[in-house]
Amino acid sequence: GAGVSQSPRYKVAKRGQDVALRCDPISGHVSLFWYQQALGQGPEFLTYFQNEAQLDKSGLPSDRFFAERPEGSVSTLKIQRTQQEDSAVYLCASSYVIRGEQYFGPGTRLTVT
Amino acid sequence: AQSVTQLDSQVPVFEEAPVELRCNYSSSVSVYLFWYVQYPNQGLQLLLKYLSGSTLVESINGFEAEFNKSQTSFHLRKPSVHISDTAEYFCAVSDWDNAGNMLTFGGGTRLMVKP
Repeated sequence: GAGVSQSPRYKVAKRGQDVALRCDPISGHVSLFWYQQALGQGPEFLTYFQNEAQLDKSGLPSDRFFAERPEGSVSTLKIQRTQQEDSAVYLCASSYVIRGEQYFGPGTRLTVT
Repeated sequence: AQSVTQLDSQVPVFEEAPVELRCNYSSSVSVYLFWYVQYPNQGLQLLLKYLSGSTLVESINGFEAEFNKSQTSFHLRKPSVHISDTAEYFCAVSDWDNAGNMLTFGGGTRLMVKP
């Protein structure tokens, strides 16, 4: 079956622009996670959804970052007024059950110029 | 808060040689432990996991890892590596009492297998 998909795969934004990154989890997966992976580093947790409820957003680095999952399936991570330090790969993961194995998408590479 | 340390950022090794990738985590609370592999331009793939039970866990492609609670370690080993094992390897931990099961990752170890 289809895995986790993310779009776009690559995004170049000028400093100050807003961007929206999309994640399509595996159908039926309850939990959805966003992670940020800076160049040469491991992924870092941003936020977590259980169905449509955002239960943990402690990893979001600033109020410019916003995530939603309105119908409990597709999720969007929005970054307002992008800064150079936002350049990273943004990874989405989903799991079938709470505390289940997380399946990762290929990521969106964001470059802010 | 949890932290995960992968002591080696790069590990060069010749094909068919053994390898060990080291991982230590900070917390003394009960945890789940994972190793993920990332091939170039691909997403993270779960290699193996420790949830409970036997402290030695194995993957289908010959890797194994041993959970050592007293040393808070979860080192990854393979007795004989192949060129195709060249990739970035990430150790990750999740607390038992974390409702969302968020993962805390180490910085990664790049395994470079040379012919």
